[in-house]
Amino acid sequence: AQTVTQSQPEMSVQEAETVTLSCTYDTSENNYYLFWYKQPPSRQMILVIRQEAYKQQNATENRFSVNFQKAAKSFSLKISDSQLGDTAMYFCAFMKRRAGNMLTFGGGTRLMVKP
Amino acid sequence: DGGITQSPKYLFRKEGQNVTLSCEQNLNHDAMYWYRQDPGQGLRLIYYSQIVNDFQKGDIAEGYSVSREKKESFPLTVTSAQKNPTAFYLCASSSTSGQGWYGYTFGSGTRLTVV
Repeated sequence: AQTVTQSQPEMSVQEAETVTLSCTYDTSENNYYLFWYKQPPSRQMILVIRQEAYKQQNATENRFSVNFQKAAKSFSLKISDSQLGDTAMYFCAFMKRRAGNMLTFGGGTRLMVKP
Repeated sequence: DGGITQSPKYLFRKEGQNVTLSCEQNLNHDAMYWYRQDPGQGLRLIYYSQIVNDFQKGDIAEGYSVSREKKESFPLTVTSAQKNPTAFYLCASSSTSGQGWYGYTFGSGTRLTVV
């Protein structure tokens, strides 16, 4: 079974600064997907960024980028130029390809962006 | 607009009662999922369904039941056998068509409280 670990329950960052959220996972699979989801106070889950394990290039989406280290089984999220609207819970998630598309989630990191 | 709708937003259950949470999607997605979210524990999979009239247990299926009679609908029943049902419940759907896999679309959730 896959496990996903987010070792930082809470973090804070000043507006306009950069912050990195950590995620590690444990799997024996070689083909899989990794995701970061954002859950703001509204509790609506929003996909932030997605990475395919067979792609070595790190995914980027505007101010969000990942550092994917396959050998280390690490998948950190970097948020640049933090904005007040980035305040949310962030969940790292793992999916094995063609396995019912079930996502396994980490426990989450609560991020507070301070003005 | 296509989306996934959960109802009700808030639900109160008395001890010993069964309650049903609704989840409807108009995205033409084949797969649907139910997750439970408790504080500090991330999301845990209750049940999932990849096609109509078929569903599988997730990690915490005890005390829950589902049906999938229509592609658009995947209701979750919280039975009296579920000893600690107070939680936030999220429904999601996904499609694997096209290139790759793009993650889940989530509903806005149902907050269930035992009174």
